[in-house]
Amino acid sequence: DTEVTQTPKHLVMGMTNKKSLKCEQHMGHRAMYWYKQKAKKPPELMFVYSYEKLSINESVPSRFSPECPNSSLLNLHLHALQPEDSALYLCASSYVSGGEQYFGPGTRLTVT
Amino acid sequence: AQTVTQSQPEMSVQEAETVTLSCTYDTSENNYYLFWYKQPPSRQMILVIRQEAYKQQNATENRFSVNFQKAAKSFSLKISDSQLGDTAMYFCAFRLTGANSKLTFGKGITLSVRP
Repeated sequence: DTEVTQTPKHLVMGMTNKKSLKCEQHMGHRAMYWYKQKAKKPPELMFVYSYEKLSINESVPSRFSPECPNSSLLNLHLHALQPEDSALYLCASSYVSGGEQYFGPGTRLTVT
Repeated sequence: AQTVTQSQPEMSVQEAETVTLSCTYDTSENNYYLFWYKQPPSRQMILVIRQEAYKQQNATENRFSVNFQKAAKSFSLKISDSQLGDTAMYFCAFRLTGANSKLTFGKGITLSVRP
């Protein structure tokens, strides 16, 4: 099973809302990632978790708060977002030692 | 730091023809992976093919093959017998071996397959 699942598929939120994005994988991967992708652009790395610990934060604003409750789950908590945060948010997973990353279908986020 | 360059923003190919997408990269490291990812419009990013730098043999996956030239730091993707479902954005990507290594993407190329 090479599947990474993400919920919800679409999310519309106001600038004062709090919401969460969820990601799940059952491939035994111990590295999980959040990316932000704008239209026609490559994904931009936001966070990396390795063995359930945050190992990389690419200077992401604090209105994005990641969480890795266990080796299969990854959350991204959103609060007080700006319209420019509207994008496709992708989750990915891989073996810690390297190799390919497997991507989920993404959550299309619109901030109004 | 590693960089990946895809200099062609768009390409078009007739159905059933062959097309080659170019990618160059820059690194001073010796052990790494190279990938091509495909992202159809409004759909999921999927891995097309991978190449480990230590392997001299070019990777192939059905209609997809690569031309890996390590000395030239070139990694092109050849799609044979193009199909309408190949219409997508294609990203070339690089990753060092080892823990916590990041995936570095090129800017991507939009490929359109004409019927």
